[in-house]
Amino acid sequence: KAGVTQTPRYLIKTRGQQVTLSCSPISGHRSVSWYQQTPGQGLQFLFEYFSETQRNKGNFPGRFSGRQFSNSRSEMNVSTLELGDSALYLCASSLVAGITGELFFGEGSRLTVL
Amino acid sequence: GDSVTQMEGPVTLSEEAFLTINCTYTATGYPSLFWYVQYPGEGLQLLLKATKADDKGSNKGFEATYRKETTSFHLEKGSVQVSDSAVYFCALSDQDAGANSKLTFGKGITLSVRP
Repeated sequence: KAGVTQTPRYLIKTRGQQVTLSCSPISGHRSVSWYQQTPGQGLQFLFEYFSETQRNKGNFPGRFSGRQFSNSRSEMNVSTLELGDSALYLCASSLVAGITGELFFGEGSRLTVL
Repeated sequence: GDSVTQMEGPVTLSEEAFLTINCTYTATGYPSLFWYVQYPGEGLQLLLKATKADDKGSNKGFEATYRKETTSFHLEKGSVQVSDSAVYFCALSDQDAGANSKLTFGKGITLSVRP
């Protein structure tokens, strides 16, 4: 069974640009959530999608957005990039029903903002 | 709001040593508690979990007991191996908040095991 796949794995952008990251969940998983991992703040919840609807959102500015498609794949977008957006962005999928908090994580997309 | 506090790291142990990683939490509801592990170059993996007070989660020789009275979920292993070298994260999911997939993580602690 294939795991959670994130693309691209590494990318470099400059301040002011925008970036789109992609996540393909485990087959059959309908929930996708996103986390930002930095050395200073650790792992922080960005948002969660289920059946193409955002169910939950963390405390990030509106520059961070996401969406989910009918096949459960998800994308997140960061506009007007800032140096502080440099981080590892992790996507996780879950079955949701009856399983609380058991997330399956991808290897992440490492974003560097110059 | 919810929070998870882990002991400061990094931790370096010799092979076969006893491991304890402390974790305490603050939550408004009745959280489920988790330990996730991140091996070098890999994504986070669920190591073990406990969903109610006094539950003990266990996996791969690791154990943690949900202690409501001390709001703790300390991770233990009797004899660590070099292959246990990784970053360990304590996390909670507040079921009352109705957000199944929202985990609040601790800062993580790096464990290095020497042969």
